[in-house]
Amino acid sequence: DQQVKQNSPSLSVQEGRISILNCDYTNSMFDYFLWYKKYPAEGPTFLISISSIKDKNEDGRFTVFLNKSAKHLSLHIVPSQPGDSAVYFCAASRFAGNKLTFGGGTRVLVKP
Amino acid sequence: DAGVIQSPRHEVTEMGQEVTLRCKPISGHNSLFWYRQTMMRGLELLIYFNNNVPIDDSGMPEDRFSAKMPNASFSTLKIQPSEPRDSAVYFCASSSGPSGTDTQYFGPGTRLTVL
Repeated sequence: DQQVKQNSPSLSVQEGRISILNCDYTNSMFDYFLWYKKYPAEGPTFLISISSIKDKNEDGRFTVFLNKSAKHLSLHIVPSQPGDSAVYFCAASRFAGNKLTFGGGTRVLVKP
Repeated sequence: DAGVIQSPRHEVTEMGQEVTLRCKPISGHNSLFWYRQTMMRGLELLIYFNNNVPIDDSGMPEDRFSAKMPNASFSTLKIQPSEPRDSAVYFCASSSGPSGTDTQYFGPGTRLTVL
């Protein structure tokens, strides 16, 4: 039972353009959502998060949007840079506990 | 400023052998997590500790797996006996608090291959 799903396993985008990564969840108890970025042979690193009381959170080139009614969130990267090429994981948790549930990941390739 | 340290980085062993993975969390962090990443199941939480006490081990696949945290600066994940299906990358992560909003910092992982 996958509670967090990333339906696009890969994404290819031209440098300078926007990358949009999508994530869906099924558990309505989730109230905190995160994106992690992972390079090969390294552990995931935290990128950006959003709580369920917001619908948007922005940090530089990265913006996360949350649509609670649709149980959907997305990550926008603009402009995309070659160094953004990595695997991106969506994750969800509850304020009351720190158990993260991860999606399957989306591999992003930014072409120069 | 050292991050989460894991050892070994790579482990190759034969079926039936005991495997011990080690983790040193970030100093001052009181929550520690063990994750496993496989192609089939993605990144899944195995167990997590808060203040050295196991809080949730529902992700531990079976009795062959055990985890300990004898003190705030060290944890082990043991597999005995190991099986080929245990081949995966095992990550340790730590965070400064018990809330879901406390950022988890991951180590580089241990790639385990069981032949």
